[in-house]
Amino acid sequence: QKEVEQDPGPLSVPEGAIVSLNCTYSNSAFQYFMWYRQYSRKGPELLMYTYSSGNKEDGRFTAQVDKSSKYISLFIRDSQPSDSATYLCAMSDRGSTLGRLYFGRGTQLTVWP
Amino acid sequence: ETGVTQTPRHLVMGMTNKKSLKCEQHLGHNAMYWYKQSAKKPLELMFVYNFKEQTENNSVPSRFSPECPNSSHLFLHLHTLQPEDSALYLCASKTGSSYNEQFFGPGTRLTVL
Repeated sequence: QKEVEQDPGPLSVPEGAIVSLNCTYSNSAFQYFMWYRQYSRKGPELLMYTYSSGNKEDGRFTAQVDKSSKYISLFIRDSQPSDSATYLCAMSDRGSTLGRLYFGRGTQLTVWP
Repeated sequence: ETGVTQTPRHLVMGMTNKKSLKCEQHLGHNAMYWYKQSAKKPLELMFVYNFKEQTENNSVPSRFSPECPNSSHLFLHLHTLQPEDSALYLCASKTGSSYNEQFFGPGTRLTVL
């Protein structure tokens, strides 16, 4: 069983739509949850970070963590063509001092005008 | 230059060639990472260096040989690669505490003929 499962898509939505991206995981030791955004021909960049359970909001982006279900989500409100990218979920456990990250496969998102 | 840089950005090599990938970080971080990113697969952690010392080798074949001469530079020496080694190779760096954002470079797109 893979550590982190993420539907690779592709996902295509019209501008202004609400986008929901999700990951599930199997390791209950994971405490840190991240979403990275990767534009074409670029490296991943950190978009959102959440520790343990709960919600975190940053502008049009909301990250949710449900540790009881081992399920994390990223919501994008009022999506824009500039949001078109691959979104990678990543997570790590508390004991990893070097912050070893376990990644999902990434979901490719296209927002069309 | 700022952030994490990688050279070359693109590399095409034959199976008998020897080449090297270079990564440089200008962020004062002490930990550096090599990842392999293949289509539709999660990022695969290859090597981890902390203060120039290799702390993790994630069962990577010996045809990949890392080198970390100092905390700012990381190399990946390649020899007798296989076509299945074609991928995007990403370098990342971070500071040493348990959670900190990993900063990624733009990657080297490697094609093995």
